[in-house]
This record gives sequence, structure tokens and C-alpha cells, in this order.
Amino acid sequence: ETGVTQTPRHLVMGMTNKKSLKCEQHLGHNAMYWYKQSAKKPLELMFVYSLEERVENNSVPSRFSPECPNSSHLFLHLHTLQPEDSALYLCASSQEGRFGYGYTFGSGTRLTVV
Amino acid sequence: QKEVEQNSGPLSVPEGAIASLNCTYSDRGSQSFFWYRQYSGKSPELIMSIYSNGDKEDGRFTAQLNKASQYVSLLIRDSQPSDSATYLCAVSGLTGNQFYFGTGTSLTVIP
Repeated sequence: ETGVTQTPRHLVMGMTNKKSLKCEQHLGHNAMYWYKQSAKKPLELMFVYSLEERVENNSVPSRFSPECPNSSHLFLHLHTLQPEDSALYLCASSQEGRFGYGYTFGSGTRLTVV
Repeated sequence: QKEVEQNSGPLSVPEGAIASLNCTYSDRGSQSFFWYRQYSGKSPELIMSIYSNGDKEDGRFTAQLNKASQYVSLLIRDSQPSDSATYLCAVSGLTGNQFYFGTGTSLTVIP
């Protein structure tokens, strides 16, 4: 496996369900991110993990809970979601540096909340 | 509030023409600038990065940066139908590791 792998690719869940999104990177990067992409809106930064510590939480509702057990894995735990949470959730990784080197994105999880 | 503005398009150009995509940003402290290409139903793919004022060329792509005017652009020469996609501009915050994206410009190259 190479690059950034996300699972599942598609997820349909009810508002009372609990599910988790998984992201794994094989690039040796030391920072990982969760982004939300909704139609007609910019990519929204949700969480940033640098060296396995959360360094950013962009006012994301508590029904989204991230977990980063090591520098290669990132999870997004979901519970009691709302229909407006339906979107494409993208994981990305990068190598930290002063000027940034850009992201490598995973293929995303298309989430539908019913 | 950091803002990155792009013309959402759609932008249509004939095959072989030059496509010009523009982006403006609000944070004067931004240090890194990126262009991503996103095909429909796919995730964004990094195609260009630029850090200094001026032009940077990579094959058919040229990124242009003007920090004084706070804009960054992407030129695609000899446009091909395979270039049809949404192009996202991304600008770094002060830390250099968090990026703010525009809404993207949809480009269609007509054969």
C-alpha cells in the first residue's frame, strides 16, 4: 500500500448510529488532518495532528471525535450525526516544515446521514 | 477569518488554448501556496507549489505569485480535455502546516 488510504469509501448511517472513519498513511509524514468537503463550500479544516498530538480543533461539534494512536493512523469517530453532516470527509498527511510541503489526500469517505 | 477567493467558473477553453485560473487571499502572513486538481468524485491532487514571488514552471503548468497584491494564479498551456477538473487554491497560515482552501474553479477544456 502506498499513499494515504481511507476506509470505508462510502458510509450511510442513521442519526443514532456510531461509526468510525479510518485513515492510514504510508509516506512517513508526521502530520495528519481531517477535512470536510461539502458542495459549493471550501474545504473545511476539522482537526490537525502533529507528531500524534492534536494541535487544531476548528470548533467542530463534539459529535465528531478524532483519534491518532500513532503517526500513521488517524480515526474520526462519529455519533449522533445530523443530516447536514453528510459530506465527503478527506484525510490528508504532510511532512511538517516551516513553509509547508502540501498535502497528500486520501480518496475520501462519502458520508450520508439519514 | 482567513479567506481564499476563487472565481467558481465554470471556465471553458478550447483544446490547445491557455487556461488562466486566479486566486486571491486575505492573510498577508501566508508563506506557501498550492494548486490542487480535483476530478469529479475524486480527492484533490497536488499539482503545483510556490513560495516566492514570480513564476514557477512545471511542464505545461505555470504558477505565478504576487505577495504584494495577494494573488496567485495558475496558467495551463496547451490545454487538454484531460485537464477538465476543479482547481483548488490553497494558502498556508502562519504555521505553514495548515492550509485554507478556496471553493475551486471548474475548468472544462472543449475538444
